[in-house]
Amino acid sequence: KAGVTQTPRYLIKTRGQQVTLSCSPISGHRSVSWYQQTPGQGLQFLFEYFSETQRNKGNFPGRFSGRQFSNSRSEMNVSTLELGDSALYLCASSLASGTGGETQYFGPGTRLLVL
Amino acid sequence: AQSVAQPEDQVNVAEGNPLTVKCTYSVSGNPYLFWYVQYPNRGLQFLLKYITGDNLVKGSYGFEAEFNKSQTSFHLKKPSALVSDSALYFCAVRDLYGGATNKLIFGTGTLLAVQP
Repeated sequence: KAGVTQTPRYLIKTRGQQVTLSCSPISGHRSVSWYQQTPGQGLQFLFEYFSETQRNKGNFPGRFSGRQFSNSRSEMNVSTLELGDSALYLCASSLASGTGGETQYFGPGTRLLVL
Repeated sequence: AQSVAQPEDQVNVAEGNPLTVKCTYSVSGNPYLFWYVQYPNRGLQFLLKYITGDNLVKGSYGFEAEFNKSQTSFHLKKPSALVSDSALYFCAVRDLYGGATNKLIFGTGTLLAVQP
């Protein structure tokens, strides 16, 4: 079974631009979460989607948004990029419910560099 | 607030020796605990988890972890380290306050360096 895939793997943008990152979960997985990883802040939760609905959101400004499609694929968007948005963005998928100890499986990440 | 702490930024061990990477947690209620490993320029790879039951959890690549409720710890262990185990290790706890969610709260990570 194919793992979580993320595109693109690397991205260079300039301040003020916007960017869209894509994530395809493992087949059959309906929950997709996004995390930001930086050397200074570590791994921080951005948001989680389940059945096309956002059911949890981290403490990030409104410039960060996301959505999930009916096939469970997810995208996240960052508008008006800032230098501090440079990070590795990780997507994770899991089967569903979120009421137990389901395992999240991570993709390879998209490394975003903002100049 | 829920949290996990990894008190060591780096752990150095010689190949063939046992290794321990420490993790302590702070949650109200029964925790769901996870260990992940990250190799350079890669995503996180699941190693093992504790949900309930046996306090000794066995995972991938010969790793195991011991859940200790009285010490609120979930240390990762391996009897004999390999150079290829050198990587960044993260402990995480599932958010118990967010309702139905898979959100994980991560520790700061521990860099494991195994010397040949």
